[in-house]
Amino acid sequence: QVQLQESGPGLVKPSGTLALTCAVSGGSISSSNWWSWVRQPPGKGLEWIGEIYHSGSTNYNPSLKSRVTISVDKSKNQFSLKLSSVTAADTAVYYCARYIAVAGSGWYIDLWGRGTLVTVSS
Amino acid sequence: QSVLTQPPSVSGAPGQRVTISCTGSSSNIGAGYDVHWYQQLPGTAPKLLIYGNTNRPSGVPDRFSGSKSGSSASLTITGLQAEDEAEYYCQSYDSSLGGSRIFGTGTKVSVL
Repeated sequence: QVQLQESGPGLVKPSGTLALTCAVSGGSISSSNWWSWVRQPPGKGLEWIGEIYHSGSTNYNPSLKSRVTISVDKSKNQFSLKLSSVTAADTAVYYCARYIAVAGSGWYIDLWGRGTLVTVSS
Repeated sequence: QSVLTQPPSVSGAPGQRVTISCTGSSSNIGAGYDVHWYQQLPGTAPKLLIYGNTNRPSGVPDRFSGSKSGSSASLTITGLQAEDEAEYYCQSYDSSLGGSRIFGTGTKVSVL
């Protein structure tokens, strides 16, 4: 079955750029899904960061839009997140996820990666 | 800056019924966008519990049910069990500010 696996540095310096990759295995990233990033600061709730379609179309959380870039690499069956100008407030577990749609039920996440903790600290 | 408000916590004894509310507005739930629910056990990724307001994925016990009315939605657990102790999140779409998927603030369910 399809699985998602996040990878990237666990520690990023303040003002630097956080960069993560999500590898999609067991299925194609070119399927009719949106591929998304969601984060969760320690002890807090979930925050949607943004998403990408295999065509390259993207949507971002308005509160993060100026700092976020999500890209897709179909040849490697993976998608990536870059978050610039990070501060301690960006410390969180970052999840990659798959949004699917069922007719009449809207778009929802049916598949999550295990998540990776990224700490912003000098 | 979630725009879906949930109670921080609810609790109940085993076998009881508990309900979690998810209150939105005219730019999200009230606009007709669907609501989905996720369960997050400690230290794990969230898991889909309810999609499209009322539908249960295969494998989710039928003691979990969802509903939606106006600008709000609810998740009900009938016959609470110890393994239901977890964090629960609603999720929808908001059309303001260019459009964005949004999560609720989260509710911790405790089994007494």
